[in-house]
Amino acid sequence: QQQVKQSPQSLIVQKGGISIINCAYENTAFDYFPWYQQFPGKGPALLIAIRPDVSEKKEGRFTISFNKSAKQFSLHIMDSQPGDSATYFCAAISNFGNEKLTFGTGTRLTIIP
Amino acid sequence: NAGVTQTPKFQVLKTGQSMTLQCAQDMNHNSMYWYRQDPGMGLRLIYYSASEGTTDKGEVPNGYNVSRLNKREFSLRLESAAPSQTSVYFCASSEREGFSSYNSPLHFGNGTRLTVT
Repeated sequence: QQQVKQSPQSLIVQKGGISIINCAYENTAFDYFPWYQQFPGKGPALLIAIRPDVSEKKEGRFTISFNKSAKQFSLHIMDSQPGDSATYFCAAISNFGNEKLTFGTGTRLTIIP
Repeated sequence: NAGVTQTPKFQVLKTGQSMTLQCAQDMNHNSMYWYRQDPGMGLRLIYYSASEGTTDKGEVPNGYNVSRLNKREFSLRLESAAPSQTSVYFCASSEREGFSSYNSPLHFGNGTRLTVT
């Protein structure tokens, strides 16, 4: 059962454009939503994360938008650069009990010049 | 500061062979994890160790065993490799016991690419 659904599977964006990756979740107990960035040949690394008590979090060119009622969250990359080309994973976890971090299936982002 | 180190980087096995994937972290983290990454399926948890001396099954534990040798090291063993275990395996660690929170992200190694023929 896929508890976190991520789309699109792949995305091609022109340099300078906005990249948008969407995720939807089912478990209303989730209360922490991180995004991980993975470059080819490397392991994923935490990029940015949000808690559901805020609707948006921004770090540089990266913004998470969160819609609690719709159970959706998305990653926006403004002014996308070739160096942003990577695979992005959304994830979710509940910090109550012994829940496990659940990852989305990943989005391969390619920024073309 | 090496972070999480995995060995080997690449491995080819024949069906039925066994092997152990090694993982070590130098960040004094309490929790360690093994994930596998397959195209279109994201990262799936195989086993984890919430603290030294404990291990628990994750989402896809069948065909694998683990050992938390000490606080630094967490190994993954394939007793009888099958083609379905062809994958990229990632070890990760986090500071706090249990799973990552907003103050304790996962730190991943660079993976072991395993092919079983």
